[in-house]
Amino acid sequence: AQSVTQLDSQVPVFEEAPVELRCNYSSSVSVYLFWYVQYPNQGLQLLLKYLSGSTLVESINGFEAEFNKSQTSFHLRKPSVHISDTAEYFCAVSPTGGYQKVTFGTGTKLQVIP
Amino acid sequence: EAGVVQSPRYKIIEKKQPVAFWCNPISGHNTLYWYLQNLGQGPELLIRYENEEAVDDSQLPKDRFSAERLKGVDSTLKIQPAELGDSAVYLCASSFVEGGEQFFGPGTRLTVL
Repeated sequence: AQSVTQLDSQVPVFEEAPVELRCNYSSSVSVYLFWYVQYPNQGLQLLLKYLSGSTLVESINGFEAEFNKSQTSFHLRKPSVHISDTAEYFCAVSPTGGYQKVTFGTGTKLQVIP
Repeated sequence: EAGVVQSPRYKIIEKKQPVAFWCNPISGHNTLYWYLQNLGQGPELLIRYENEEAVDDSQLPKDRFSAERLKGVDSTLKIQPAELGDSAVYLCASSFVEGGEQFFGPGTRLTVL
């Protein structure tokens, strides 16, 4: 079984400041890792994913996450946040190899302060 | 192209009443998922369909929950009777292929009084 821990339920940050949203996972097998974003009153959207290859993955809107196998982490970072980044962010994990159930973390609410 | 459509967006009912949620996935998506999202939690899978077949319903409380996906397109999730603890957001998602990226609908927020 897999589990995901997002220790920070809320992260307030000033506009144009950097941010890191932490995600740690637990699994006895190899995993795929995901970050989803949920804007108010909308469904979850895939932000970025790690399947294999380079451990640093990037999204089109400036977020990046790095897979660290030794620390079982997949932290999400952005060097300069914008008001529009205010949303809830969910880290998720699934075992590799064909379809496997995705396990989500409890989410981190990013509040960007003007 | 339209995304995943869910209705209603909000539903308030009294306990012991029945309730149904509807989901229309993205056209051509064969895999459909229903998730439950409690307040302050991440989504938890209730049931997964491949076309019209429920291939994973191990987390669906079958004493009161039921789902169907007739013709392998849209789907309905039903609760009968609803309990206070069923208050949550019910999310529907779809993917083109099994294991592919999941696209989520906006969810139905259920409040049971």
